[in-house]
Amino acid sequence: AQTVTQSQPEMSVQEAETVTLSCTYDTSENNYYLFWYKQPPSRQMILVIRQEAYKQQNATENRFSVNFQKAAKSFSLKISDSQLGDTAMYFCAFIFSSYNTDKLIFGTGTRLQVFP
Amino acid sequence: DAGVIQSPRHEVTEMGQEVTLRCKPISGHNSLFWYRQTMMRGLELLIYFNNNVPIDDSGMPEDRFSAKMPNASFSTLKIQPSEPRDSAVYFCASSLPTWRTEAFFGQGTRLTVV
Repeated sequence: AQTVTQSQPEMSVQEAETVTLSCTYDTSENNYYLFWYKQPPSRQMILVIRQEAYKQQNATENRFSVNFQKAAKSFSLKISDSQLGDTAMYFCAFIFSSYNTDKLIFGTGTRLQVFP
Repeated sequence: DAGVIQSPRHEVTEMGQEVTLRCKPISGHNSLFWYRQTMMRGLELLIYFNNNVPIDDSGMPEDRFSAKMPNASFSTLKIQPSEPRDSAVYFCASSLPTWRTEAFFGQGTRLTVV
């Protein structure tokens, strides 16, 4: 079975500092995609960053970057220069294709609080 | 496009009543997902459709839950009869016909069963 694990229920960081959120996953698939979604208090799910499993280079999106370790099945999110607006729930997600269908699975989330 | 549209935004119902949640995916998206979000379990995948066909409903918690997608622009999630433990936020999401793209989420329906 495919699973996604986020072992940090809550994290906090001071404004302008750097924080890393961890995520591990389990799959026997070789081709898949990984995502980090952000859910602010508004409840809207917003894509932060995506990583293709076949790419060795880590994805970067402005202040957000990932550390993708395929062999270890690890996919952590680093937020640099944290801002108050980064306060949100962060979900790691995994999608794979099997028999021409897609299954998008999420972890339980990490609540990030950015303090001034 | 207005994005994924869910209705209602909030629903309060009494235990035992039937509840129907609605979703309109983004036009052209052929995958549709229903999720339930709770503090304890995070985002659980309940069921997903591909080209209006239910592919995997293994996440549906009980027979009280059912989902339909009669056409490419509409899906429903029904709970009958509802119970207090069904209280959660229910999200609908849709994605393009390739698994390499992101899923777009609706605003969710907050369901409270009293």
